[in-house]
Amino acid sequence: GDSVTQTEGLVTLTEGLPVMLNCTYQSTYSPFLFWYVQHLNEAPKLLLKSFTDNKRPEHQGFHATLHKSSSSFHLQKSSAQLSDSALYYCALRANTGNYKYVFGAGTRLKVIA
Amino acid sequence: AQTIHQWPVAEIKAVGSPLSLGCTIKGKSSPNLYWYWQATGGTLQQLFYSITVGQVESVVQLNLSASRPKDDQFILSTEKLLLSHSGFYLCAWRITGGAYEQYFGPGTRLTVL
Repeated sequence: GDSVTQTEGLVTLTEGLPVMLNCTYQSTYSPFLFWYVQHLNEAPKLLLKSFTDNKRPEHQGFHATLHKSSSSFHLQKSSAQLSDSALYYCALRANTGNYKYVFGAGTRLKVIA
Repeated sequence: AQTIHQWPVAEIKAVGSPLSLGCTIKGKSSPNLYWYWQATGGTLQQLFYSITVGQVESVVQLNLSASRPKDDQFILSTEKLLLSHSGFYLCAWRITGGAYEQYFGPGTRLTVL
């Protein structure tokens, strides 16, 4: 079945350092990948989505590249800000026409001054 | 623009009591709707999806049921709550076409005592 793996439960960074949150996936078909960000007591919000071509999605300074060869969709940002502290989920939708979405376990990003 | 509303915002209920949570979406005709559950500190688990009025598919069994009585309404319910039902319940709708990304409602926080 489809699965999403986020290996880091917690990432603590000093403000200004680069961010990289890992996401790998398993899917029988070429899936669409997403990153969602969730702040405390709020609903998840879409941060990025993958494209079928080689475009690199970018939003609020975050970017991610879908690498089909390594089944990865890592989230990156060149310089962390205090306001980036949140829970980040990687998710996939299998490109089979079904309606199932699979979320990873989530990575909590804590940015400190 | 589409807006998604969930009610109630929060509930505190006793074990064994019934539950009904609601979700309404405006500004989108015939939306694909989803229910998710998030345990405290946990990931997002898809529970149900519905692509049209009267049709609901279950993704995981958690002693919950769902119904789609109107095009813009999705209801989650159970006749007997368990302690394990506590958590954050999120309704979502998805874009038609492209990556089919989902957008979440504000959520309902349920505490079962």
